[in-house]
Amino acid sequence: NAGVTQTPKFQVLKTGQSMTLQCAQDMNHEYMSWYRQDPGMGLRLIHYSVGAGITDQGEVPNGYNVSRSTTEDFPLRLLSAAPSQTSVYFCASSSAHSNQPQHFGDGTRLSIL
Amino acid sequence: GENVEQHPSTLSVQEGDSAVIKCTYSDSASNYFPWYKQELGKRPQLIIDIRSNVGEKKDQRIAVTLNKTAKHFSLHITETQPEDSAVYFCAAIWNNNDMRFGAGTRLTVKP
Repeated sequence: NAGVTQTPKFQVLKTGQSMTLQCAQDMNHEYMSWYRQDPGMGLRLIHYSVGAGITDQGEVPNGYNVSRSTTEDFPLRLLSAAPSQTSVYFCASSSAHSNQPQHFGDGTRLSIL
Repeated sequence: GENVEQHPSTLSVQEGDSAVIKCTYSDSASNYFPWYKQELGKRPQLIIDIRSNVGEKKDQRIAVTLNKTAKHFSLHITETQPEDSAVYFCAAIWNNNDMRFGAGTRLTVKP
């Protein structure tokens, strides 16, 4: 039981490039979410999903797309990377809605030059 | 939307002393309040949570209290140990599925 797995762990992009951050969970969790963590600002919710085929925007969705074709996977896409998107990205999952303990992945450290 | 404020931003205590971190939230409909601990370079990990129908919850040296009327909740760590040193985040659920985090408290426990 691996929990929540994020790939890659580190990535450097140039401004304007696109990229997909991968997130997979093997706990059969319905709820999945993406956060970004910037110094001094805690974690901010980007997008979330309450089940396959259902996604919604969080606090800071601009510049990011998500999809949820299966229960296990919840990829995050950067359409045209900008330096302001330099951050650490965490994926999380929980058994039902977000008012259950969330299990976080190890994070992806992303730098946009 | 929900706004979660967390204080203090940094906290230094002597080993064995207690530590208290406080958070306030703005949306009276929020009903779930977790606390996460994050060590340097690691993932956030849940240490305790409380729901809006409960006023206090304890787990060994850790306790959380909730005052719904005042819309604030607090984390209490007793008999602190050096391994308690980390960044602690409070959070509140807004609009059923949207979780908002506080900015974090860096706790340092001095041996």
